[in-house]
Amino acid sequence: DAGVTQSPTHLIKTRGQQVTLRCSPKSGHDTVSWYQQALGQGPQFIFQYYEEEERQRGNFPDRFSGHQFPNYSSELNVNALLLGDSALYLCASSLGLFMNTEAFFGQGTRLTVV
Amino acid sequence: SQQGEEDPQALSIQEGENATMNCSYKTSINNLQWYRQNSGRGLVHLILIRSNEREKHSGRLRVTLDTSKKSSSLLITASRAADTASYFCATDWSNFGNEKLTFGTGTRLTIIP
Repeated sequence: DAGVTQSPTHLIKTRGQQVTLRCSPKSGHDTVSWYQQALGQGPQFIFQYYEEEERQRGNFPDRFSGHQFPNYSSELNVNALLLGDSALYLCASSLGLFMNTEAFFGQGTRLTVV
Repeated sequence: SQQGEEDPQALSIQEGENATMNCSYKTSINNLQWYRQNSGRGLVHLILIRSNEREKHSGRLRVTLDTSKKSSSLLITASRAADTASYFCATDWSNFGNEKLTFGTGTRLTIIP
């Protein structure tokens, strides 16, 4: 049973560029959430997707956008990259919106903006 | 902010000893989850405790929840070198559960062989 998988594992981008990160949820899960973790901090919620719609959003600018596909996989897009966007981006999957169940995380994508 | 706080921020103990970490939060929750993170990699889910539960066990882990004090503790018994990691608590305080998690800043645990 594959867990949550993310790609790529590492990425270096130049300020002003755009980036797309990808996530495949754990088998059987239909809800995907994205988090940003700066060095030395806890993860911060970016947004959540369920039934291909954004359901919840954290305190992140519109430069951060996402998508969920019919197979439940998801993408996180960040436009006009800033140096401050350098972080570990984590994807989490869970079952349903109202199930009060565990969220499982992938290994993350380390984004460095130079 | 709803962000919880773990205490202590850092903890060093000898292998074989027990490690206790605490988490405090601010508002009512649906559940609280504990995660482990090794060297800035992905989060490993350890245990979920719901708001109507007071204690849960999983192997060498014991989690307690006191909703009246808005606090939780994670006990790791008979620690091993492989337990060296950062530990985070995360609370789900949304209206229905499973909508988003709010993390604390973590406890950095070091097990000394």
